[in-house]
Amino acid sequence: IAGITQAPTSQILAAGRRMTLRCTQDMRHNAMYWYRQDLGLGLRLIHYSNTAGTTGKGEVPDGYSVSRANTDDFPLTLASAVPSQTSVYFCASSVQPGNTEAFFGQGTRLTVV
Amino acid sequence: GENVEQHPSTLSVQEGDSAVIKCTYSDSASNYFPWYKQELGKRPQLIIDIRSNVGEKKDQRIAVTLNKTAKHFSLHITETQPEDSAVYFCAGFGGGNKLTFGTGTQLKVEL
Repeated sequence: IAGITQAPTSQILAAGRRMTLRCTQDMRHNAMYWYRQDLGLGLRLIHYSNTAGTTGKGEVPDGYSVSRANTDDFPLTLASAVPSQTSVYFCASSVQPGNTEAFFGQGTRLTVV
Repeated sequence: GENVEQHPSTLSVQEGDSAVIKCTYSDSASNYFPWYKQELGKRPQLIIDIRSNVGEKKDQRIAVTLNKTAKHFSLHITETQPEDSAVYFCAGFGGGNKLTFGTGTQLKVEL
């Protein structure tokens, strides 16, 4: 089934540990995004990529890194997790950056303890 | 970059009434304005969008209006039903094609 998939769906992580959230899409979309969702704060952009090989910083990039080695994959890495990174993380993709519908993954619920 | 503000944060209406959610944006170069609906525990999904070359777009019970001069756009839901209860997000694209969301509106449709 075509779409966008995130893994894992949930994770409990000890503070200080490194963690990579995976995001894969098979729609050949050029643009991909990572958001975190916290109650009352909506969806805040962490990092984005307009096309394979390029990435950019969003609204809340500190503590996170991304890579875009190919069109399909856009992993998000927490180098050293802290409790404030407890959140629900959504990956999204769109055909082109800028003015097309974004499709979201099912989300990853991350708890840092 | 783009700054999107959304109001109200919560909205309660009686079934059958209309609901209106408003958003303002800062980047005058923005030309695409989507609205997403997120049901509890699920992912956001697009429900309607509008581009800057039109002032209004309708799809059954939902409509979006855009005022580029004032830099605001609104979501209108008529004849609300219980299944309309959800969180609604507006969004805009800023410099670098960053898709930026408003903080969301929790809509509750009461029987």
